[in-house]
This record gives sequence, structure tokens and C-alpha cells, in this order.
Amino acid sequence: NAGVTQTPKFQVLKTGQSMTLQCAQDMNHEYMSWYRQDPGMGLRLIHYSVGAGITDQGEVPNGYNVSRSTTEDFPLRLLSAAPSQTSVYFCASSYLMFSGANVLTFGAGSRLTVL
Amino acid sequence: TQLLEQSPQFLSIQEGENLTVYCNSSSVFSSLQWYRQEPGEGPVLLVTVVTGGEVKKLKRLTFQFGDARKDSSLHITAAQPGDTGLYLCAGVNAGNNRKLIWGLGTSLAVNP
Repeated sequence: NAGVTQTPKFQVLKTGQSMTLQCAQDMNHEYMSWYRQDPGMGLRLIHYSVGAGITDQGEVPNGYNVSRSTTEDFPLRLLSAAPSQTSVYFCASSYLMFSGANVLTFGAGSRLTVL
Repeated sequence: TQLLEQSPQFLSIQEGENLTVYCNSSSVFSSLQWYRQEPGEGPVLLVTVVTGGEVKKLKRLTFQFGDARKDSSLHITAAQPGDTGLYLCAGVNAGNNRKLIWGLGTSLAVNP
């Protein structure tokens, strides 16, 4: 059981380039999300999805796009990379709970450097 | 804005010592989660506490949720090098179960 798989593990971009971070989960989780983790800032939610065809913004969505065409996949697109987007990105998924909390399963992360 | 403050931010101790880390807020949470993150990996859930005053034990780790559901603590007994990592708490917004409020974490180093 692979859980949450993120690719690539490392990526270096030049300012203005675009790229897609891939995320796939094999647990049939309805909820998927993208976070970025920066020193002194903690984990910040970028975008999330509660099911195929449904996406919504988190607290830091600018400069990023997402789509959810299948339950399994939730790619994160950087439209025009900026140095401020240098970070470690985590994809996380969970079952949708109607009561109680979503308990997240995280991927191993993608470290992105924008020069 | 809801905030979760974790303390201490950094902790370096010798193997065998005991330690407590704290997660505090002025807001009430419906539940609180603790995660541990090792270098180069994503956070992994340790425990969820739901009821005010609840105590949960996971081997040498003891988690407590405050009576008012505004704070939580994690106590580690006889720390081992394998306990090294970043400990994160995340509170569940009482009004929106899908929104997690994250603390900045406590970075723990246990030296042999």
C-alpha cells in the first residue's frame, strides 16, 4: 500500500518557469490538500479538494493552480515560478469525516528551489 | 485568527531524560492532533485527543488535552534518539471540521 506518492522529490526552477508537482493516493480518500512548509511559518494550506471535480483555496493560493479530475490524483501547478515559492511542498489526504477531524496522511514532500 | 503556540521551539536533551512540550491557544478546539515529522519526510499522526481532560498514552509518550480544550501537552519519558524529530500539533476548528490550525512545531534532538 503506497499511501500518498509525490513526485518529483527535488526540483530546481528558474524564475518564470512553470511546472507541476504530482500527487497520487491509493487509499480512496475523498479529501486531498497541498501544503507548503517554510521555516518560521509552519505548514500553510495552499489548495484543497473534497472530491473529484471540487477544489477550493486555502490560505496561500496565489501563484498556484489545482485540479481534481480523479479521486486518486491532485496535481499542483506553478504558473510562473517566483523565488518566494521556494519551499517544501506536501500533499496530504484523508477520508472526509462528517464529525470529528480529518486525520491526514502526508506524502514525503517535494523540495522546490526557484532561482 | 486562531493561533496555536508551541513551546519550546527547540529542545536538545540527553538520552534517558524526560521532557514536555506544550501546545497552547486562546481558542477552543473540537479536537487536537499530534504529528511527528522526521527529516526529509512528511508528518505522521501520533494521536488525536477529543475530550477535555483526556489522556492518551503511546508507549513512552503521554498526551493530554486541556479541560477547556484550548491546550495540550506531550510528555516523553526516558527519551531515546529515535524520538528525534519535529513535533507538530494541529487543532480542529470547532466550527469547521475540515480546517486544521497548525502550530509551528517543537524540534527535538535526543543525543545518545
